[in-house]
Amino acid sequence: AQKITQTQPGMFVQEKEAVTLDCTYDTSDQSYGLFWYKQPSSGEMIFLIYQGSYDEQNATEGRYSLNFQKARKSANLVISASQLGDSAMYFCAIYNNNDMRFGAGTRLTVKP
Amino acid sequence: EPEVTQTPSHQVTQMGQEVILRCVPISNHLYFYWYRQILGQKVEFLVSFYNNEISEKSEIFDDQFSVERPDGSNFTLKIRSTKLEDSAMYFCASSVDSSYNEQFFGPGTRLTVL
Repeated sequence: AQKITQTQPGMFVQEKEAVTLDCTYDTSDQSYGLFWYKQPSSGEMIFLIYQGSYDEQNATEGRYSLNFQKARKSANLVISASQLGDSAMYFCAIYNNNDMRFGAGTRLTVKP
Repeated sequence: EPEVTQTPSHQVTQMGQEVILRCVPISNHLYFYWYRQILGQKVEFLVSFYNNEISEKSEIFDDQFSVERPDGSNFTLKIRSTKLEDSAMYFCASSVDSSYNEQFFGPGTRLTVL
């Protein structure tokens, strides 16, 4: 069974600073995908970034980058130059065999 | 830009009633998913569907749930006899294939069971 752990229920960051949201996972599979989604207060799920288990380079998408450490089974999300609009819930997820499991989420608040 | 749509946006029902939640996935996508999110909690996987059959289902997806693709565009989730604890946001998602591509989420249907 796959499991995702997000240990930070809430995080605060000053506008324009960088923030790291932690995510660790547990799986016995060799092949899997790791995702980060953003959920603003409006409720929709917005895809941010994806990392494949065989990808050797860390994924980047604009201000989002994924710090993937396979041996440690961690896939932390780094948001650079935080903006007020980044305030939201952030969910890490692991995907394999048509099954995606989400972590409990981290609520990020960006302070002006 | 193509998107996943879901109807209704909010469904209110009486306990014990059947509800059908509807989703229209992106047209060239082949894999379809349902998730639920109880208020304030994490998103939970329910089921994945491919080639007109269930690929994977979670322990939550018991006999009161069923999924169907009744025509070429709709993908439905039926809850046979709703319980109070079924109150949640239900998200549909679709992807091009199963090779770890991005799953596109719909806006969700909020189900309230009274």
